[in-house]
Amino acid sequence: DIQMTQSPSSLSASVGDRVTITCRASQSISSYLNWYQQKPGKAPKLLIYAASSLQSGVPSRFSGSGSGTDFTLAISSLQPEDFATYYCQQSFSNPRTFGGGTKVEIK
Amino acid sequence: QVQLQESGPGLVKPTQTLSLTCTVSGDSISSGSYYWSWLRQPAGKGLEWIGRIHSSGGTNYNPSLKSRVTISVDTSKNQFSLKLSSVTAADTAVYYCARESYYDSSGRHDYWGQGTLVTVSS
Repeated sequence: DIQMTQSPSSLSASVGDRVTITCRASQSISSYLNWYQQKPGKAPKLLIYAASSLQSGVPSRFSGSGSGTDFTLAISSLQPEDFATYYCQQSFSNPRTFGGGTKVEIK
Repeated sequence: QVQLQESGPGLVKPTQTLSLTCTVSGDSISSGSYYWSWLRQPAGKGLEWIGRIHSSGGTNYNPSLKSRVTISVDTSKNQFSLKLSSVTAADTAVYYCARESYYDSSGRHDYWGQGTLVTVSS
């Protein structure tokens, strides 16, 4: 299985801050990397697919980059509704695997 | 608008079989453009992919669960189902069904059900 490692596991930030979350794969996954946002009691929501493509309807303050083994999710200006947990997921091979999550909290 | 809805018992006894169904609306499972997936999330923990099925009947399972999992599809009802046998307390989780893209190979899960909590307890 491909292991996905996210960092940090949690962070505190203020509204308006730029936030970056990293995800590392245990082997090269090309650009087969997706990012999800999950709020308490809700299903995950797709933000970014294929490492850098913005899912329809997702605000442009979200962006993704990277290829191979190292990937980044950036939020350019954190909004109140962005406080949530974020997960990366590889779709290079089965079984699909997720990172452990990054909880973004209010400072 | 595509919608997925999980249904099934919220309480299952140890050693029994967990059975859930996902009903899809706004899209046809038969279209062949997507995989139909099951995932789960224990309370306070991360996401685990259980497996998926294509309308052709082809399946892929997580090796960690493969001996206990069966995913099937009923195209006439636009539903797909999960069976997990010999459950233990470790199988207690919120179970999600989701749609995974097939046509563009991105493997993204773009639509999810709201999730259903299944507790394994006697």
